[in-house]
Formats: sequence, C-alpha cells, structure tokens
Amino acid sequence: QKEVEQNSGPLSVPEGAIASLNCTYSDRGSQSFFWYRQYSGKSPELIMSIYSNGDKEDGRFTAQLNKASQYVSLLIRDSQPSDSATYLCAVNLYSGAGSYQLTFGKGTKLSVIP
Amino acid sequence: DVKVTQSSRYLVKRTGEKVFLECVQDMDHENMFWYRQDPGLGLRLIYFSYDVKMKEKGDIPEGYSVSREKKERFSLILESASTNQTSMYLCASSTRLAVYEQYFGPGTRLTVT
Repeated sequence: QKEVEQNSGPLSVPEGAIASLNCTYSDRGSQSFFWYRQYSGKSPELIMSIYSNGDKEDGRFTAQLNKASQYVSLLIRDSQPSDSATYLCAVNLYSGAGSYQLTFGKGTKLSVIP
Repeated sequence: DVKVTQSSRYLVKRTGEKVFLECVQDMDHENMFWYRQDPGLGLRLIYFSYDVKMKEKGDIPEGYSVSREKKERFSLILESASTNQTSMYLCASSTRLAVYEQYFGPGTRLTVT
C-alpha cells in the first residue's frame, strides 16, 4: 500500500516561531520529495523540492530528508501570518509496471497566530 | 510564468449528464494531469498524459475518461455524472525533465445533483 502520511493538524505557532511539518512515506525506492503550499480556496503551488539526504534551504524554508527513516520535513523559520495554509507533502511512489507516480499526503494545516 | 487555465471555476450538473472539463497550459509542457481533491481524502490522481494522444490511468480512473488531441489541452470527461463525483477538480502540467514539479490550474468545483 503506497502511502504518504502527514499529521492533519491544525498546527498553531506564534508569529516569529519555527513551524515544523513532518511527513513519512512507504516506498524505500522513492527519490523525489516535494512540499506544496495550498492557501484556502486556492490550488497547490510548489515551494520546495529535495532529492538528497540532508537539508536544503531556500529563504525561510528548510526541507530535510532522511531516506533511511523514510522521513521528510519542512521547517519554516520566523513564521508569518501569511504562511498560514495547508502544506502538502508529495513523494514519487512506485505505482507498478516500472513507473512512479507523484503521491500527495492529505496535508497539514498551519495557522500562524499574530 | 506558467499558466494553467481551466474552463470553469464552478459547475453544476445533473446526475447522468456527460460533463467535459477543459484544461489549457501555455508553457509547452509535455505532461498534463487531472486530480480530484476531497476533504479527508486529499489529492488523488485520476489520469495523466505524457504526450499528445497518450494517456495513463491514475489511482481513481473509474467513471472518467480523458482526451489529449493537442499538446496544450487536456480534457476530463465524466461519461455519466454521479453524485459521488461532486468534488474539486484540479489540472496540472509539468515538463518531461521535471515530471513531479507540477503547476496547477485554479480548479473547477463540480457539483452533481
């Protein structure tokens, strides 16, 4: 059973704090990992991608990947109210017949409290 | 900027009707996707296409078909709409080299009564 698991939240953090979002996945062969952000009533937009173990930083966002533990996370430093959204973890999972497919978690809703 | 557009923002159809949802992208992307998004179930892939006239089933293709006659356009067809197809439908596109870096359209909220 291919799965991408996230805590649904809501995760509430005060403005200026670090928000930590977590995701686990079922396929040890997965190679590509993504975080999409979805504001209420809007469509998802890609904010981070990571392909190698370790950390990848982009401004206030840091993606962390641990393939041995099948775990990927997103840290948001100096959280702002504008970061309030649902964050979708997406992983390329094996879908059969030698092919992979992007599979999304159900998302974690983040609320940044002013 | 990549732009993905969908033909309707909101659509209301009756049970049994044939429904067409249209998606157009303007960045010459090879891959196009149709998802549905439901509360508690997340985003689920219905069909995708990696080239003109090519299609592949996703996780939930039952009750749907697709058509891709031109590179920029990907249509989702509900042959006989049912109430359990009430959902938000999202189209996405990506390049051949970055399959998973997908750009989404604004979505179509379909209600089947």
